[in-house]
Amino acid sequence: QLQLQESGPGLVKPSETLSLTCTVSGGSISSVSYFWGWIRQPPGKALEWLGNIFHSGSTHYNPSLKSRVTISVDTSKNQFSLKVNSVTAADTAIYYCVRESVGSTAQPFDYWGQGTLVTVSS
Amino acid sequence: DIQMTQSPSSLSASVGDRVTITCRASQSISTYLNWYQQKPGKAPKLLISAASSLQRGVPSRFSGTGSGTDFTLTLTSLQPEDFATYYCQQSYSVPVTFGGGTKVEIK
Repeated sequence: QLQLQESGPGLVKPSETLSLTCTVSGGSISSVSYFWGWIRQPPGKALEWLGNIFHSGSTHYNPSLKSRVTISVDTSKNQFSLKVNSVTAADTAIYYCVRESVGSTAQPFDYWGQGTLVTVSS
Repeated sequence: DIQMTQSPSSLSASVGDRVTITCRASQSISTYLNWYQQKPGKAPKLLISAASSLQRGVPSRFSGTGSGTDFTLTLTSLQPEDFATYYCQQSYSVPVTFGGGTKVEIK
């Protein structure tokens, strides 16, 4: 059974960089059938897609974050990571790592991590 | 960006009721539309992909229809475990976008 697990600091100071890692178990991150991505959800609000990455390192990002987001992959560790720089209180959210099924019509997010709350505060 | 508008934003219903949630895209997205269910404190769960394809293990009381700009998620005979928030999501173009959610509450 595929599992995704987010890890990283739960508290980040304003203007600093938020860094999270997603560890994939029960499957290979190098599969050609999937993208791996990040989605966030501010408390009580809707979902926002941040971006994704293929095992080759090819990425897509949400333009709304104005180049503050970087996603990287480490196939040797079966992990991928998220960095959001210059954070503000508006970046406070639950961050989910997800698998995006490229081989399926409409490329759904078919596996999700449990989510990790990141609070931006001094 | 493609805007996804869900309606209603919330509704109250009773066990056994039929519930319909609507999702409208700001431009045509063919059937590049997925539905998710989220319960409090949990990650969203994929229910339906490609507008109408029920995921394995999802009860048949859930169904999805639509194409182009207008989509619906229908729950027939609402069960206690169906009280949750539902989101639509388009994957027609980047950035992927979600609807604002529909919270289904117990009447």
